[in-house]
Amino acid sequence: DAGITQSPRHKVTETGTPVTLRCHQTENHRYMYWYRQDPGHGLRLIHYSYGVKDTDKGEVSDGYSVSRSKTEDFLLTLESATSSQTSVYFCAISQGWDSYNEQFFGPGTRLTVL
Amino acid sequence: SQQGEEDPQALSIQEGENATMNCSYKTSINNLQWYRQNSGRGLVHLILIRSNEREKHSGRLRVTLDTSKKSSSLLITASRAADTASYFCATDAAQGSARQLTFGSGTQLTVLP
Repeated sequence: DAGITQSPRHKVTETGTPVTLRCHQTENHRYMYWYRQDPGHGLRLIHYSYGVKDTDKGEVSDGYSVSRSKTEDFLLTLESATSSQTSVYFCAISQGWDSYNEQFFGPGTRLTVL
Repeated sequence: SQQGEEDPQALSIQEGENATMNCSYKTSINNLQWYRQNSGRGLVHLILIRSNEREKHSGRLRVTLDTSKKSSSLLITASRAADTASYFCATDAAQGSARQLTFGSGTQLTVLP
């Protein structure tokens, strides 16, 4: 596996509480991504980062914010969790120095919002 | 909306048989990639085919790309029980935000021993 870790791996929380998921990489890759995976939807991009403090929205960004203060860390925050945000969240990285954009995925975080 | 859509959604075959999965997409692409996901794990990159390529091989994998039909296929030859997984195509669009991949909803492959 590429040097990508996600924490926590599992979390159960209640509606309305804030939640932060962390993605940490040791590969010094420029690009980092947050996806959510739901049955029947494949992976959908939430936010991505193309450098420290450089982020942009993906397809399903509403209700989520991100921050990247260091190359190795990319945080995903749910300011006020809702049941519709129950999902499996994956972080991915890529070098992005050419057009190939192969992505390497972390192990995922299973989030349940009650 | 999803760029790539896999077909079939589920496929069950006997060990030793070949498995073919198809992917259709909507817009122009730089490249198309295939990923595998074992149950409860993250995705793993299998193979990438560029828009100017028509076929590519990697071990037991064969990928074809038809840009005129906006479609790709993944063939796994001589399948093994260990090939049981979900397979996703992902497209790197030729325009728009850089370095994004759009994933399809996947094909669940079951290889029976």
